[in-house]
Amino acid sequence: SQTIHQWPATLVQPVGSPLSLECTVEGTSNPNLYWYRQAAGRGLQLLFYSVGIGQISSEVPQNLSASRPQDRQFILSSKKLLLSDSGFYLCAWKSRAGYTFGSGTRLTVV
Amino acid sequence: QKEVEQNSGPLSVPEGAIASLNCTYSDRGSQSFFWYRQYSGKSPELIMFIYSNGDKEDGRFTAQLNKASQYVSLLIRDSQPSDSATYLCAAPRGNMLTFGGGTRLMVKP
Repeated sequence: SQTIHQWPATLVQPVGSPLSLECTVEGTSNPNLYWYRQAAGRGLQLLFYSVGIGQISSEVPQNLSASRPQDRQFILSSKKLLLSDSGFYLCAWKSRAGYTFGSGTRLTVV
Repeated sequence: QKEVEQNSGPLSVPEGAIASLNCTYSDRGSQSFFWYRQYSGKSPELIMFIYSNGDKEDGRFTAQLNKASQYVSLLIRDSQPSDSATYLCAAPRGNMLTFGGGTRLMVKP
């Protein structure tokens, strides 16, 4: 079966610290992968998407970067977190039935 | 103009009533649309998708698409308190999925 894993579930980080969020997909190959962010009480904002290994497209300029080192692995990173980076980060992959989301990481920058 | 727009709500309906959630879109070339449900603190889950004009029914849910008027709606019949959540409308744009801001639905017992 096809599943998507995302961790950690919650994270509290100080301003200026680095960030690494990981997302992996099982049961499929060469998936389109996505990182979304949802600020409190807001809609979903697409941050990055990838159609293959090493291929990253950025939707908005920001303090974040993404990498796809393996076919089914998508990583979201930051060298120095800002307070405005707080939010709910969601990884998703595109299946035949639509876009399936991971369980998300709630990041609080303090 | 946002690509996909929704009224943020909250939309409050009594238990057992029909809840009607609406979404408008700006790209006339959009061919398909997705409805997601998101409970507070959880990730969105896909409820339905629709790609042709008219209605698509799945249990208590009916999605309606009107391409001429550029709107898509989701009807929830016999609303239950467990339906209380934020409902997100989304449309593909190339390799991406663009979301509306979501409508918060509250079903009161």
